[in-house]
Amino acid sequence: TQLLEQSPQFLSIQEGENLTVYCNSSSVFSSLQWYRQEPGEGPVLLVTVVTGGEVKKLKRLTFQFGDARKDSSLHITAAQPGDTGLYLCAADPLDYKLSFGAGTTVTVRA
Amino acid sequence: NAGVTQTPKFRILKIGQSMTLQCTQDMNHNYMYWYRQDPGMGLKLIYYSVGAGITDKGEVPNGYNVSRSTTEDFPLRLELAAPSQTSVYFCASAGTGIDQPQHFGDGTRLSIL
Repeated sequence: TQLLEQSPQFLSIQEGENLTVYCNSSSVFSSLQWYRQEPGEGPVLLVTVVTGGEVKKLKRLTFQFGDARKDSSLHITAAQPGDTGLYLCAADPLDYKLSFGAGTTVTVRA
Repeated sequence: NAGVTQTPKFRILKIGQSMTLQCTQDMNHNYMYWYRQDPGMGLKLIYYSVGAGITDKGEVPNGYNVSRSTTEDFPLRLELAAPSQTSVYFCASAGTGIDQPQHFGDGTRLSIL
């Protein structure tokens, strides 16, 4: 059983469209991180959210942490082919060991 | 600007062979981790270390061993390779602080035949 459930598992969209990826759990987290992984490389941190209800923006990416700190979403506006990759959420259940979701594979077609 | 370096990048082993996956970091991070990544399964923690001389098991430690004699190095050993250990292995490090990001190497793709 995954501590973090990500949906959808796969997402394929046309360049210029918007998309949202979800990360849900029944557990409360002190913080949640989003990573992006490209083929042949390790994951790279995009953002960390720590406060319930927090919204962070990174250019065309908007990250939200749920009020109860159990869920998060990643929204991409006007997606570009460079946004293609595996998006992973990861949470710290009160210690230094991150738990990762299974990931959402995003493909943006030109 | 090396960060986390993993070697080798690719390896094919026969069943029953042993090998060591190397991981070194130059950021003076106390925390280091080994994960395996299987398709559709995300990253599973194998072992982790909070400092030199201290290691502990993660979710999937069976069939693996680690050591941490220095801050920089965190090798992962497979003693008797099995087909179920075919995977991509990632090493990561992190600084002190609960919100610190993990910095990952580029992975070792291991096939057991």
